[in-house]
Amino acid sequence: GAVVSQHPSWVICKSGTSVKIECRSLDFQATTMFWYRQFPKQSLMLMATSNEGSKATYEQGVEKDKFLINHASLTLSTLTVTSAHPEDSSFYICSAQREYNEQFFGPGTRLTVL
Amino acid sequence: EDQVTQSPEALRLQEGESSSLNCSYTVSGLRGLFWYRQDPGKGPEFLFTLYSAGEEKEKERLKATLTKKESFLHITAPKPEDSATYLCAAPGYIFGTGTRLKVLA
Repeated sequence: GAVVSQHPSWVICKSGTSVKIECRSLDFQATTMFWYRQFPKQSLMLMATSNEGSKATYEQGVEKDKFLINHASLTLSTLTVTSAHPEDSSFYICSAQREYNEQFFGPGTRLTVL
Repeated sequence: EDQVTQSPEALRLQEGESSSLNCSYTVSGLRGLFWYRQDPGKGPEFLFTLYSAGEEKEKERLKATLTKKESFLHITAPKPEDSATYLCAAPGYIFGTGTRLKVLA
């Protein structure tokens, strides 16, 4: 149990375009999901917390207009990188929180902006 | 300030050479300490949750323990497939920087 999927697993796009990443909890309901960014050989950096039915809470320094988050249901959250630029290239990982504060992570999405 | 610190940053072991990874924390009102394994290019894989000092959990060659100030991940007779980065985390999304483990055949 406790499986989280992400789609796509990798994406290459041109500068200025928008990219949507989906995160789904497959076998449990998650009222809270999280979006992280990870640079090579570094730990996870929390970008935002997504609660079902309400606006996401963004960490300091994360542009909410660039990284749009929607938590449409108890099993789906999406991250849209708007007007992507090369500096947005990174590994994006979502997680879904189950009971007892346990987080289960998706496999990640590698974004490359040309 | 709440903080989670892991050591060592990197560890190389020979196959079968047991060792321990450390996670020290200063978190007010700890509500769990989590261990994850992360392989390159993949999301972290959940391993253990520990809630109270003295608690221990085991999974195959891994055993996690918790005291009031730190947690240890003991690896017994590791195999090359145990090579990965091991992360510990506290609620509040506080992650350590991880220990990169390499087990040599």
